[in-house]
Amino acid sequence: QVQLVQSGAEVKKPGASVKVSCKTSGYTFTGYYMHWVRQAPGQGLEWMGWINPDTGGTNFAQKFQVRVTMTRDTSISTVNMELSSLISDDTAIYYCARAHSIGGYSYGYYDYWGQGTLVTVSS
Amino acid sequence: DIVMTQSPDSLDVSLGERATINCKSSQSVLYSSNNKNYLAWYQQKPGQPPKLLIYWASTRESGVPDRFSGSGSGTDFTLTISSLQAEDVAVYYCQQYYSSHTFGQGTRLEIK
Repeated sequence: QVQLVQSGAEVKKPGASVKVSCKTSGYTFTGYYMHWVRQAPGQGLEWMGWINPDTGGTNFAQKFQVRVTMTRDTSISTVNMELSSLISDDTAIYYCARAHSIGGYSYGYYDYWGQGTLVTVSS
Repeated sequence: DIVMTQSPDSLDVSLGERATINCKSSQSVLYSSNNKNYLAWYQQKPGQPPKLLIYWASTRESGVPDRFSGSGSGTDFTLTISSLQAEDVAVYYCQQYYSSHTFGQGTRLEIK
C-alpha cells in the first residue's frame, strides 16, 4: 500500500533552516509529483510547491521561491523540503502530498498525504 | 492567483440531515479543451492530514461513501453530504488546480 512517512517534529530558532523528509513506499517513486502543503496552527492549507521525482524539476509558490528548496533521493524513494531564514510565522505542520497521475500526466489533486511534521520556530 | 472562497465558515447540521458547503473561485477553473473543472474537495479531521473526497468537481474518490457528492462548474461549486453521520464532523476544504494550487479557507462542520 502507498505510504508517505515524514520525519519528526523540529524546533528551530528564527533565522535557521529546517529540512523535512518524506519517505515513500508502495508505488513507483518517479511516477508521481510530490507537493508540499503547510498548515499554521488552527489555520487553513497553503500550497508551497512541487518536485518531479523523476527529473528533479521543481516549481514553487512565489511566496516561498527564495527560501525553499526541494530535492529527491531516488535510491531511497525520499523527497525533502528545506525552508531557510525561518520566522515565527513559519510555525506550522508541513505535509508532503502525492499528486495523482494519469497516463504519465500529473494533476494537482492529492490522493495520498504524509502524516505531517510540526515545525516550531521560536527564540 | 485564483482565490477560493468557501461559505459558510462553519455549519451545524443535525444527524441524518443534508449538509451543503459552497466554494467560489475568482476565475473559472473549467478547462475548455477537456471540459473538466479542476476542483477538488478534502475532509480534515483533528490531528489528521486532509483526505481526498472529490476531484474533477464531481468524481468521488475510491472508498468515499456515496453520501458525499460534488457539483458545479466554472466558478461555483458545492459539496453535499446527503445524510450527515457523526463521523463527518470535520473541516472541509475546496482546492483549485487549474492555475497553480490554492485552497479555500475551510468550512467547519459540526453536529447540531
